[in-house]
Order: sequence, then C-alpha cells, then structure tokens
Amino acid sequence: DSGVTQTPKHLITATGQRVTLRCSPRSGDLSVYWYQQSLDQGLQFLIQYYNGEERAKGNILERFSAQQFPDLHSELNLSSLELGDSALYFCASSPANSPLHFGNGTRLTVT
Amino acid sequence: GQNIDQPTEMTATEGAIVQINCTYQTSGFNGLFWYQQHAGEAPTFLSYNVLDGLEEKGRFSSFLSRSKGYSYLLLKELQMKDSASYLCAVRGTGNQFYFGTGTSLTVIP
Repeated sequence: DSGVTQTPKHLITATGQRVTLRCSPRSGDLSVYWYQQSLDQGLQFLIQYYNGEERAKGNILERFSAQQFPDLHSELNLSSLELGDSALYFCASSPANSPLHFGNGTRLTVT
Repeated sequence: GQNIDQPTEMTATEGAIVQINCTYQTSGFNGLFWYQQHAGEAPTFLSYNVLDGLEEKGRFSSFLSRSKGYSYLLLKELQMKDSASYLCAVRGTGNQFYFGTGTSLTVIP
C-alpha cells in the first residue's frame, strides 16, 4: 500500500458528461501529481500541485482542471468528456527529492 | 522538451539476466527513476540514480551515465512474476517527473 488513496476505482459515464476524480496524498507529502495512461500508452503528465498551488502543467487539455485543497487532497475535473478520454488516471505524491508514490488509479470509461 | 526512449518489448528466460535500456534528453535533470507496472495496476518504485554509477537493490540494479543521457535497469535471476512493464522516468527541475512509454518484459519458462 503506497499510502496514496484515489476514489473512485472505476467510473463509467457518457460522452459530454463531467466527472471528478479525488486523491489523498500520503501523510506529510505536499506535492500531488496527476497522470493519464491510455491503453498501451505511457504515463502522460497532466499537472502538479505543491501545498495548494499549481507548480507545473503538462499535456492537460483545457477541458480538464484540477485543484489542491488546504487539507492537501486534490481533485481532477474532466468535462465535456470524449471517448478518447477513457484511460487510467493516476495520482501520485512525493516529498521533496524523493520518488513518486502512486495511488491505485481511477479507471474511466466514456461510452 | 522531454524525450525518453526505451525499447517497447523484451523477452527473457526464467533464471536469466535482462538489461532494459533508457536514453533521455531533458531540459533539466535531478535524477532517474525506474518503476515496475503490472497491467492495470499502479507503478511501483524500484530504483533511482542521481549520480553516475551503479545502484544495487537485491535482484535489481540500475546504472546511470549523465554525460551520455543513458541508464539501464538490470534484472537478475528472472522470475515469472517479473513479467511487467518497466518505466524509466526523469525528474526535471521543479520536481516534475517525465516517463518513457515503458518496456513490456515477458519472462518465459
């Protein structure tokens, strides 16, 4: 168990809908990262937060947004969903100068 | 930009040794990390290098040459459970992590 908690584990929704994925980092970790992994694809970096502030953006679509709250949990909001958004979404946390630790992911299926 | 290259697939025999290579070109470098990922599961941390040389952790070792932008992961005494995807990742400036597409390793009897 990495200590990073993601909910829900599975999500099935229709095109055009909006969903929210939630992540609680390991105790004490201030950094939260979001990654997207499509079938047979590598991990695509979406966005990073540090202690409530956005630190870096990767290949995140404008339809997607995220935030980190004062209690350090984070939410990833995906809107106007398309079939191509179907993927595993991972959250990871890390203290400074340490490896990333990943949650078990949320599998999103858009039908 | 960030560019991290790994072979897509490799096959090796149970009990043997396999080396998975990774080359990188990144705008900043603060360490190279190796992760193991079984299908549909979360990546799990294996090893990392921040200085040149070899780091050994049990059956797994990782090597780094910063001047060549090159790393490898060495797996010894392969077991069937080692069949997985192995991900190379570079930590850039600002504590961002960039991943390669991964090497799918199949261990055969």
